[in-house]
Amino acid sequence: DVKVTQSSRYLVKRTGEKVFLECVQDMDHENMFWYRQDPGLGLRLIYFSYDVKMKEKGDIPEGYSVSREKKERFSLILESASTNQTSMYLCATAPGTPSGQTQYFGPGTRLLVL
Amino acid sequence: AQSVTQLGSHVSVSEGALVLLRCNYSSSVPPYLFWYVQYPNQGLQLLLKYTSAATLVKGINGFEAEFKKSETSFHLTKPSAHMRDAAEYFCAVTFPGSGYSTLTFGKGTMLLVSP
Repeated sequence: DVKVTQSSRYLVKRTGEKVFLECVQDMDHENMFWYRQDPGLGLRLIYFSYDVKMKEKGDIPEGYSVSREKKERFSLILESASTNQTSMYLCATAPGTPSGQTQYFGPGTRLLVL
Repeated sequence: AQSVTQLGSHVSVSEGALVLLRCNYSSSVPPYLFWYVQYPNQGLQLLLKYTSAATLVKGINGFEAEFKKSETSFHLTKPSAHMRDAAEYFCAVTFPGSGYSTLTFGKGTMLLVSP
């Protein structure tokens, strides 16, 4: 079974803090994704990575950055947290080829920015 | 651009009743379609997926979905709802050859099951 873990289930931060959300997978998948989930808006893609050190912007990258130094780990960084970044953050992974593969999700991190 | 529309942000059924969750997609090429379920305070779990084989797809927990190209639909059904089916359900779309397996999600439908 694919296992995707996220470093925290719940996180409380203050406005202006730098926030790191970590995602680790154990299935050697090439693709990793970060989403945010908000009520009534579904899941929106922030960034994804298709290889070590490679990244692509998703639909809502503003205010976020990512890092992938190792294949199994994908980090989401909020450089200066703001209250409008309070949300549920979900990490997902998928094999590289062929395209159209199933994405496997972590349990999520619920972030509250005060 | 691809998109997914889920009709109804909330659907209420009684235990034992038919579950029908609607999903319509928009695309100019044949899609791959997915249904995911999210139980409270958990991540998303794959229920089933359509990847251009049989149009009727069976998934876990007794759910199934039928791909109808003429209606651009992929509705999710279950003959008899259980209390444990109460969760949020997401329809998602991607395209073969699109690269990287990126998905576009609908806004979700919360299924409420009453005794």
